[in-house]
Parts: sequence; structure tokens; C-alpha cells
Amino acid sequence: QQQVKQSPQSLIVQKGGISIINCAYENTAFDYFPWYQQFPGKGPALLIAIRPDVSEKKEGRFTISFNKSAKQFSLHIMDSQPGDSATYFCAAENSGGSNYKLTFGKGTLLTVNP
Amino acid sequence: KAGVTQTPRYLIKTRGQQVTLSCSPISGHRSVSWYQQTPGQGLQFLFEYFSETQRNKGNFPGRFSGRQFSNSRSEMNVSTLELGDSALYLCASSLIQGGTEAFFGQGTRLTVV
Repeated sequence: QQQVKQSPQSLIVQKGGISIINCAYENTAFDYFPWYQQFPGKGPALLIAIRPDVSEKKEGRFTISFNKSAKQFSLHIMDSQPGDSATYFCAAENSGGSNYKLTFGKGTLLTVNP
Repeated sequence: KAGVTQTPRYLIKTRGQQVTLSCSPISGHRSVSWYQQTPGQGLQFLFEYFSETQRNKGNFPGRFSGRQFSNSRSEMNVSTLELGDSALYLCASSLIQGGTEAFFGQGTRLTVV
């Protein structure tokens, strides 16, 4: 059972454009939603995270939009740069429960063309 | 502040052997989680340790085990290696239990031949 569905699998954007990656979850007990960025040969790096009490969180060029009723959240990368080319993972956790784990989406390979 | 350190970075083992991977968390972090990353299955949770106790275990066979020491350093062990165990093994540390504000190491690339 895939609890976090991520789309698209791959995305090509021109420099300066907006990259949008979407995730949908099933478990309504999830209450922590981070995004990770991973470059080849590196571990995932925490980019930005949100909790369900807010609908949007922005950090620099990265914004998370959260829709609790639709059980969806998305990552927007404004003014995308070639250096943003990486694989992006959404994840979710029931931080108040006893699972103590992140459930990850399958990842989106982002390519930003110069 | 040093990040999460995983050793070794690369390993090549033969089917049937066993392997031990090590993870040193960020100073002050008491939670260590392990994940397996493969192209087909993505990132899958193996187990989580907090204060030397395993709090949760993922859906992996008993050949996968781990432990955490009093200094929060953690090791994972895979016995009787199979070809399908070839993967990037990632360790993440966080201040509190679980995945909140979890920071990953660079991983150990295990190849089973």
C-alpha cells in the first residue's frame, strides 16, 4: 500500500520557470510533511516542511502548499535554476503516534535546462 | 556542527556474507533511523532507535538488524546477504523520536555480488 503518491516522476523546466511537484497521502493521522532534495551520490537533504495547521509555507524560492481536505501537498520552486536539478522526495509522518518513521513518495527527477 | 556520518561509503560483499554499517548522528541527536534506497522501491524504512531502544521496525526480514549505543551511534547488520540487498543504506538523525527534522547522512552504497 503506497501511502504517499508523488507526481510527476520526472519534470523538465526551463531556467526561470516554476517547478511544481505534487503529493497525495492517505493516512489522515499524518501531521508532518517534509520535502527532501537529493543530488546524485548524496543523501537526501531536508528542504522545507509543513504541518497541517498552515496552508502554505515559504522559504526563499521554495513554497509548500497544503490542502488538508484534499489530503494533498505540493512543492513549488520559483525561478528554477540549473542548480536545482535533483531528485525531490515528499514524505509524511504521524509525529504524534508511535510509528516514528517517514513514509516517502517515489521521487521526482527535476531537470532545469539553462 | 558536524552532520550525520556514515561509514563506510562503499562496500562490495559476496552473497551469503554479512555486513555491518555504522552511523554517527549529529551531536545531541538521540534518534537514529535507517532507510534502504533502491531505484525500484525508493526509500523504505528499516528501523528507528531512540535512547538505545528500537521503537519501530519496517517490513524487512530478520536478516536486517540494528542497535544503538549509549552515545547514540548506531549500527545496522545484514546477515546472509542476497543480491537484492544491493542498495544505498541511509541513516537519519533527529533530536526527537521519529522523522521530524530528520537529517540524512551520505549513505553507504552496498553492492552484493
